[in-house]
Amino acid sequence: DAGITQSPRYKITETGRQVTLMCHQTWSHSYMFWYRQDLGHGLRLIYYSAAADITDKGEVPDGYVVSRSKTENFPLTLESATRSQTSVYFCASSESGRGGRKAFFGQGTRLTVV
Amino acid sequence: KNEVEQSPQNLTAQEGEFITINCSYSVGISALHWLQQHPGGGIVSLFMLSSGKKKHGRLIATINIQEKHSSLHITASHPRDSAVYICAVPNNAGNMLTFGGGTRLMVKP
Repeated sequence: DAGITQSPRYKITETGRQVTLMCHQTWSHSYMFWYRQDLGHGLRLIYYSAAADITDKGEVPDGYVVSRSKTENFPLTLESATRSQTSVYFCASSESGRGGRKAFFGQGTRLTVV
Repeated sequence: KNEVEQSPQNLTAQEGEFITINCSYSVGISALHWLQQHPGGGIVSLFMLSSGKKKHGRLIATINIQEKHSSLHITASHPRDSAVYICAVPNNAGNMLTFGGGTRLMVKP
């Protein structure tokens, strides 16, 4: 099906482990985003990408790494997971990053770091 | 940074009631987004508007650019409207969205 898909939907990992969250979109949208959602903070931008091989930091990038070798994929890696990174992670895509186009969100990945 | 405030934070309504959710922001913008997040967690974009009013079914979104304020209205509310409604605005550079804290709506039958 066309759309934006995240995997896994749920993940439990141990402190210090590396974990990668996957995001795939089929619309060929140029912009892709990673957000985390926490109680009391709402949605916060971690990283975004304007095109393949172009990425930039958002509001809360520390502890995360992204790459975008292909337009359709935008994986998010936690290099050494910490308990503070327990959160729900959302990937999104948009034709434009200038706020003038609808954003489409994945279903989210609930990550627990123990 | 654009400050985005939503009110109310929580709202309980009876089925059939008219509902209004408000969103105010501090810096002029090109467009404002309304999103819906259902209890299952998925986020859906409802509206993107830069002026005036937009309507989709029982949902109406309005924006007053001069007042830096937007409202989301739900007419003839239904329990399936129960969700968190989030407004979001782009930053000055237009390359990222700032989100309000959300309004948690519960519609009782």
